[in-house]
Amino acid sequence: NAGVTQTPKFQVLKTGQSMTLQCAQDMNHNSMYWYRQDPGMGLRLIYYSASEGTTDKGEVPNGYNVSRLNKREFSLRLESAAPSQTSVYFCASSYDRTGTEAFFGQGTRLTVV
Amino acid sequence: AQSVTQLDSQVPVFEEAPVELRCNYSSSVSVYLFWYVQYPNQGLQLLLKYLSGSTLVKGINGFEAEFNKSQTSFHLRKPSVHISDTAEYFCAVSESAGSARQLTFGSGTQLTVLP
Repeated sequence: NAGVTQTPKFQVLKTGQSMTLQCAQDMNHNSMYWYRQDPGMGLRLIYYSASEGTTDKGEVPNGYNVSRLNKREFSLRLESAAPSQTSVYFCASSYDRTGTEAFFGQGTRLTVV
Repeated sequence: AQSVTQLDSQVPVFEEAPVELRCNYSSSVSVYLFWYVQYPNQGLQLLLKYLSGSTLVKGINGFEAEFNKSQTSFHLRKPSVHISDTAEYFCAVSESAGSARQLTFGSGTQLTVLP
């Protein structure tokens, strides 16, 4: 079972460049999420999508945009990358029911120079 | 608003010794509590969760955690650790009326098991 698949796994960008991180899940989950992980700060929610066609801001949305392309796919776009966006990005998905846990992808390590 | 505090950023322990990773939370409403583990260069996977009922929760790989409402804690324990338990552990909380999108994570505890 693939679960949550993220691409790419690694990326180096120059300041000002743009890129899209891709995420797909095959568990028929309604909800999908993008987090960033920084040392000593745990995971912080960037954006989430409770269902196809809807997206909402999380704790740290500035500098990012998202698209929920269909039930399976949820992409994260950096329009003009900044060094402060150097981080590890995780996509996750879950059923949209109380008490359910999130299932995570393996992460994308992004460096902005 | 809810918050999670993991009191130790790094915990070194010798193989076959017991370990406790501490987690305290703050919330004005009832909560659900989770422990996730992250092995090097991998995503997070669920170790265990507390939703209701028995305050002692057993998870995978021999881990267990105890919910203490009066002390607002959810400490993770294992009686005898292995080298393979070396990983980062995250405590997370969500409101009991909420779904996974309300998850708030702690800053993580790096468990290093020494031979």
